[in-house]
Amino acid sequence: QKEVEQDPGPLSVPEGAIVSLNCTYSNSAFQYFMWYRQYSRKGPELLMYTYSSGNKEDGRFTAQVDKSSKYISLFIRDSQPSDSATYLCAMSLMYSSASKIIFGSGTRLSIRP
Amino acid sequence: DGGITQSPKYLFRKEGQNVTLSCEQNLNHDAMYWYRQDPGQGLRLIYYSQIVNDFQKGDIAEGYSVSREKKESFPLTVTSAQKNPTAFYLCASRGQPEKLFFGSGTQLSVL
Repeated sequence: QKEVEQDPGPLSVPEGAIVSLNCTYSNSAFQYFMWYRQYSRKGPELLMYTYSSGNKEDGRFTAQVDKSSKYISLFIRDSQPSDSATYLCAMSLMYSSASKIIFGSGTRLSIRP
Repeated sequence: DGGITQSPKYLFRKEGQNVTLSCEQNLNHDAMYWYRQDPGQGLRLIYYSQIVNDFQKGDIAEGYSVSREKKESFPLTVTSAQKNPTAFYLCASRGQPEKLFFGSGTQLSVL
């Protein structure tokens, strides 16, 4: 079983729709939960990060973490064609010497004008 | 400009050859990471390093080696033992908290 599972998509929605992206994880020791966005053949960029259970909002983006269910989500409101990209969830395990950061397999999102 | 510099952008490997991918950062970050990305896939962790002269294996370290002799540099060697090396390789350094800054990647292909 993979430590982090992500809905693979691809996902195609019309402009203006609400998008929901999800990941589940198996290791309760994960402490930080992050969402990255990656455009084709580029390095991923951090969108949002959360440390605890609950919601965190930033503009059109809301990150949700439910540690009891080991489930995280990213919601995109009023989606735009420029949001078309691959979205990757990531989680970190902090050891005494280093922080191991694991990614999901990514969900490719396409917003139709 | 502060950031992560990966080179070369494209690299070709012959059968039985070792190749080294360069990663340099000027962000003054302690921790650095190497990931492999296959087409349509997420990022898989190869190696990571918290400080100079210390590094840990990730989930797919077999066939790869790294060194961390300087804080700014974390080169990755793809050895001949890696039988399926064709992939997009991404290097990152870690800021606070847990924010990864990525380079632009190296595409490695087999001749």
